[in-house]
Amino acid sequence: DAGITQSPRHKVTETGTPVTLRCHQTENHRYMYWYRQDPGHGLRLIHYSYGVKDTDKGEVSDGYSVSRSKTEDFLLTLESATSSQTSVYFCAISESGWQGRVTDTQYFGPGTRLTVL
Amino acid sequence: KNQVEQSPQSLIILEGKNCTLQCNYTVSPFSNLRWYKQDTGRGPVSLTIMTFSENTKSNGRYTATLDADTKQSSLHITASQLSDSASYICVVSGDAGNNRKLIWGLGTSLAVNP
Repeated sequence: DAGITQSPRHKVTETGTPVTLRCHQTENHRYMYWYRQDPGHGLRLIHYSYGVKDTDKGEVSDGYSVSRSKTEDFLLTLESATSSQTSVYFCAISESGWQGRVTDTQYFGPGTRLTVL
Repeated sequence: KNQVEQSPQSLIILEGKNCTLQCNYTVSPFSNLRWYKQDTGRGPVSLTIMTFSENTKSNGRYTATLDADTKQSSLHITASQLSDSASYICVVSGDAGNNRKLIWGLGTSLAVNP
């Protein structure tokens, strides 16, 4: 998994509670991404970061916030979890992102399975 | 609307057999096309990346083809192994200047049986 860890790997929580997922990389890549994967949908981008404290929204960002205080860590927070946020969340990293090489490759972490009851 | 459609949705083959997975896209303007392999419970892993000018690219027993005119790609797996059992996802990058997007297909679920 290309030096990417995600924690926790599994989490069950209740509606209305805050949840924070962590992504940690050892590759020193500039770009980091959070995706969610659900049946019937391709991977959908939630937020991404192009540097420390530099983040932007993806296509399904409502209900999520992110922070990146260090190159190696990218946090995804669900401020008040809802059942619709039950999903598998993947973190990914890449060297140059969309503004870089067209063949820039994203490397994915192992995923976090989140269940909101 | 930019879309990526994959077929078949699922496929079962016997070990040692070949198979071909299809990807059709409507993404425009086109930048590149990627195939990822996703094992159950794991994150996707890149197999190939093809740009507009490339027709064929191989990675071991995996060979990807691209026809940019018809907006079709295929992934051919030769002499399948049990470890090839996975979901294979086609991803197309649209090139809108500085805001390239990745459009993910739903994947083809491949099961290789002994």
